[in-house]
Amino acid sequence: GDSVTQMEGPVTLSEEAFLTINCTYTATGYPSLFWYVQYPGEGLQLLLKATKADDKGSNKGFEATYRKETTSFHLEKGSVQVSDSAVYFCALTGGSNYKLTFGKGTLLTVNP
Amino acid sequence: KAGVTQTPRYLIKTRGQQVTLSCSPISGHRSVSWYQQTPGQGLQFLFEYFSETQRNKGNFPGRFSGRQFSNSRSEMNVSTLELGDSALYLCASSPGTGDNQPQHFGDGTRLSIL
Repeated sequence: GDSVTQMEGPVTLSEEAFLTINCTYTATGYPSLFWYVQYPGEGLQLLLKATKADDKGSNKGFEATYRKETTSFHLEKGSVQVSDSAVYFCALTGGSNYKLTFGKGTLLTVNP
Repeated sequence: KAGVTQTPRYLIKTRGQQVTLSCSPISGHRSVSWYQQTPGQGLQFLFEYFSETQRNKGNFPGRFSGRQFSNSRSEMNVSTLELGDSALYLCASSPGTGDNQPQHFGDGTRLSIL
C-alpha cells in the first residue's frame, strides 16, 4: 500500500537558518503530494501541494518539488522564523482516492 | 468563507460509553473525511463520505461508524469506548469531485477516555 516516510526530528534551528525536512513516498500510480502544518491545539493547515512530476509547490517562503525519479518531496525554506515552529506532515493521495496517507510528522522549533 | 467546524472541541467519556462527534464542512464541499491522530500511530484515515454514501474506509473496527446528511454535515460515532480510543479526531472536507483536490481540516475534537 501507499506509505510516506519523513524525518521525525525534532528539528531545532535558530531564526533565519535554512530548513530542509526530507520526505519520500511509496505509491502506485501517480499520487498527489502535500505538506500540511499543525500548530499547537489546532488542526492541519495545507501548506503546499504538487500534483505531477517536476511540479513545485510554494507558499509563505516554503517550497517542495515533486521528484518522481527519487520518489521525494522535500520541504525547504531559506530563512525560518520563530512563527514557523510547528509540526509538519508530508502526505499523499492517489488521484481520485480521497484518503490521505501521512508521514509521522516532524516537530520544528525555531529559537530567536 | 467559513472553515470546517467540529463540535465539541473536547469530550471526556468512560470506557464502555458511546460518543458522537460532529463536522460541518466548508460550504459547497460534498466530501467529508475523518482521521484519528494519536502520538503512537500518527494520523490514520477512518472513512470518507460523499453525497451521503461512504466512499472509502480505513482499517478500523466496526465500533467506528459515520454518516453524512443531505447538507453534507457528517457525524462520527464510536461505540463501546476503549482507553485506546483517546485521540484527536480530525474532520476534513473537499469538493469531492475531480482529482487532486486538497482537503481542508477542522481543529478537531479531543476525546479522552477515563
